[in-house]
Parts: sequence; structure tokens; C-alpha cells
Amino acid sequence: GENVEQHPSTLSVQEGDSAVIKCTYSDSASNYFPWYKQELGKRPQLIIDIRSNVGEKKDQRIAVTLNKTAKHFSLHITETQPEDSAVYFCAASGSYQLTFGKGTKLSVIP
Amino acid sequence: DTGVSQDPRHKITKRGQNVTFRCDPISEHNRLYWYRQTLGQGPEFLTYFQNEAQLEKSRLLSDRFSAERPKGSFSTLEIQRTEQGDSAMYLCASSPSRNEQFFGPGTRLTVL
Repeated sequence: GENVEQHPSTLSVQEGDSAVIKCTYSDSASNYFPWYKQELGKRPQLIIDIRSNVGEKKDQRIAVTLNKTAKHFSLHITETQPEDSAVYFCAASGSYQLTFGKGTKLSVIP
Repeated sequence: DTGVSQDPRHKITKRGQNVTFRCDPISEHNRLYWYRQTLGQGPEFLTYFQNEAQLEKSRLLSDRFSAERPKGSFSTLEIQRTEQGDSAMYLCASSPSRNEQFFGPGTRLTVL
């Protein structure tokens, strides 16, 4: 089955700096790659996603890139703000089920 | 609130008891998923429904677990003879299509 590795497990940045989280996946049949933000005690919230026919997608301060050949994808957050502090999960899917990484705890220091 | 809802939000039970959780998906979504999340981990897939049909079950879903979606709307997840290892957050998600999944707030189960 699919296996998703996510790095780093924790990330601290100064407010205003950029943050990058990287994921790799194992199943070449995977074609959908969402990112979720989960604040403490709350539901995972879909923040951006990318499909395999696209190399990059941007939504305001958030962007995701995908390299299908290397089987890795990344989340980029620019101009970080304290409210960006949360756990971020990447996931991969080939059909219906999502396989998640173990998460990255992002702390934005004011 | 038109999002996915789950009930109860918290459940504390004694080992050996049965528990049942309910999920109400977003109304026009025909796909419904159950996941389990333990502390410090990402959600793990348990099972998937398209309308009322249960199309896939993870090997994580032991014989003590059963899920239903009788009319293709809400779903229930039952755990029989609970064990301490069942303690986790049980998340439900729904989807209008093959991909985007929107999660509910979860039911936190504690087995004493």
C-alpha cells in the first residue's frame, strides 16, 4: 500500500519568514495530494490540494509543488503569521482513501 | 452549520463495553469515510461508503468494529467489547467527488 513520509516533524519560524514542509510517497498510482491544517482539539481542515497533472498550485500565502518523477510534494507558506501555528498533514490518494504523513508541528514565533 | 457533524464529541467507557458513534455528512456528499487518529499521528483510514454501500475496509478494522450507512445519509461506527487500545479520536469525512474530503470534529473515545 501507499506510504507517506513527512519532514520535518517540528518547525519553528519567526513571524514573517517562510515555512516549507516536504513529503514523499511510494505509490506511483497516487494522483491526488491534499494538505490539512489541524489546530489543537479541532478537525483537520483542507487548506490546499494538487492533482498529478499539475506541478504547482498557489492560494494567497500558501503554495504546493509536486514532482511526480521523484514522488515528492511540498507545502510552502510565505509571510507566516502566529495563526499559522498548527500541525500540518500531507496526504496521498490513488482512488478514495487518504494516506497521511505523521504531521509537522509548525510554531510561528511573534 | 452545514459541515460534517459527529456525535458524541467525547465518550468514556469501561473496557468490554460497546460504543456507537454517529456521523452526519454534508448533505449532498455521497461518499463517507471513517478514520482513526491517535496522539501525534495522522488519521488512518478505516472504511469507506459510497451511498449505502461499504466498498472498502482497512485491515485495522477488526471483527469488533462494524460500520453502517443504512440510507446513504448518516453513518454509525460501532465498537464491540472495547479495549484500551481502541482509545483514539474517530474522525468521519465526507466527499462530493473522488478526492476532496471534509472532516467532522471527531469523537474522542477513552477506554478505561
